[in-house]
Amino acid sequence: QSALTQPASVSGSPGQSITISCTGTRSDVGAYNYVAWYQQHPDKAPKLMIYNVTTRPSGVSHRFSGSKSGNTASLTISGLQAEDEADYYCTSYTTSSTVIFGGGTKLTVL
Amino acid sequence: EVQLVESGGGLVQPGGSLRVSCAASGHTFKIFSMNWVRQAPGKGLEWISYINKNGSATYYADSVKGRFTISRDNAKNLLYLQMNSLRVDDTAVYYCARGGYCTASSCFTGVPYMDVWGKGTRVAVS
Repeated sequence: QSALTQPASVSGSPGQSITISCTGTRSDVGAYNYVAWYQQHPDKAPKLMIYNVTTRPSGVSHRFSGSKSGNTASLTISGLQAEDEADYYCTSYTTSSTVIFGGGTKLTVL
Repeated sequence: EVQLVESGGGLVQPGGSLRVSCAASGHTFKIFSMNWVRQAPGKGLEWISYINKNGSATYYADSVKGRFTISRDNAKNLLYLQMNSLRVDDTAVYYCARGGYCTASSCFTGVPYMDVWGKGTRVAVS
């Protein structure tokens, strides 16, 4: 199964908002509300940022929000900060009882 | 503190085998599902395997199905990944990750999220 489709890179200035899209199919993103987003800083383990499409784990900034429409999920980061610069990955549960990652998006804070 | 520590990585020849382990501490290991996720050098994350809390259900990505086996020992708080018929493109950092998430009052373990990760162990096939 192919990876979910994410833009390779996005950028924004401090204080701005950015949105990262994650496009799948009716067999994954479109099938369930089991979408999550992970943040990964260089040479670090990933960190869960969003689950159940829209829910933030305890300790994750309210500046991070998620949404979904059809086969596409989105992560929005508002009020960009320097520490948000990282790679972001979406995931979805699939109708094959597996998990699929997106290809990853490198966020640059200008 | 909830912690996962992988071990057992190393250099192996193509066609060879390797078993990596993940030691869990700081939480009730036996109530959580577990996953293995890998990351090839300079590449993205790839989920490769899942095991439920008692080991009765396992799932694999197509890329490793038939070659890799996930297992666990709840008495020892250990997760394993047995890797056979290794290929050059299996070269990656292998992360173990706890399945589920916890709120202030409850933990949910039957959901396809990974809320605690180890630091990874490197496997090189060459």
